[in-house]
Amino acid sequence: RKEVEQDPGPFNVPEGATVAFNCTYSNSASQSFFWYRQDCRKEPKLLMSVYSSGNEDGRFTAQLNRASQYISLLIRDSKLSDSATYLCVVNRGNTGGFKTIFGAGTRLFVKA
Amino acid sequence: EAGVAQSPRYKIIEKRQSVAFWCNPISGHATLYWYQQILGQGPKLLIQFQNNGVVDDSQLPKDRFSAERLKGVDSTLKIQPAKLEDSAVYLCASSLRDGTDTQYFGPGTRLTVL
Repeated sequence: RKEVEQDPGPFNVPEGATVAFNCTYSNSASQSFFWYRQDCRKEPKLLMSVYSSGNEDGRFTAQLNRASQYISLLIRDSKLSDSATYLCVVNRGNTGGFKTIFGAGTRLFVKA
Repeated sequence: EAGVAQSPRYKIIEKRQSVAFWCNPISGHATLYWYQQILGQGPKLLIQFQNNGVVDDSQLPKDRFSAERLKGVDSTLKIQPAKLEDSAVYLCASSLRDGTDTQYFGPGTRLTVL
């Protein structure tokens, strides 16, 4: 079993729809969590950090559930420009520092 | 502010040849990462440096891959000899302090091994 798992999708949604992605992690010692966005043939870029209390940035809302060991990303009022792969990222303590583990990503296509 | 620089952007080699990639992180960033991203998969961490010391290289195939970060700034990743399964995008990233910080990625080097 992978340490960080995501539904690969693809999710095909119309403009204006609300879409949600989940990501599960297996190591309970995981400490920090992020969502990154990766456009086709481009490098990943930070979308948002995920805080224990949940956090919102415009149309994007991230939640963390430590008890069930998952994080989620909600996108409201989807735009064509939201089409991308969304990568779940988990950091946990490791000898000498922190280890970063990326999920395989969830692909989103927003259609007109 | 200048981003993470990588070169070359593209490289095509035959199996059993050697190849090297270069990365220049954002100025002042202590931590540097090399990732391998195979098509359709998420980035896989190969090696993580904090300044010029190795924090994690548990997923680096050490029989053929090597990396160094001299003087805690630039880094090179080498593959010798290359195999077909090494075809991937090699991404370099840097962060200000440690693995809990935002990582900033370079554009990557797309390697094709024939």
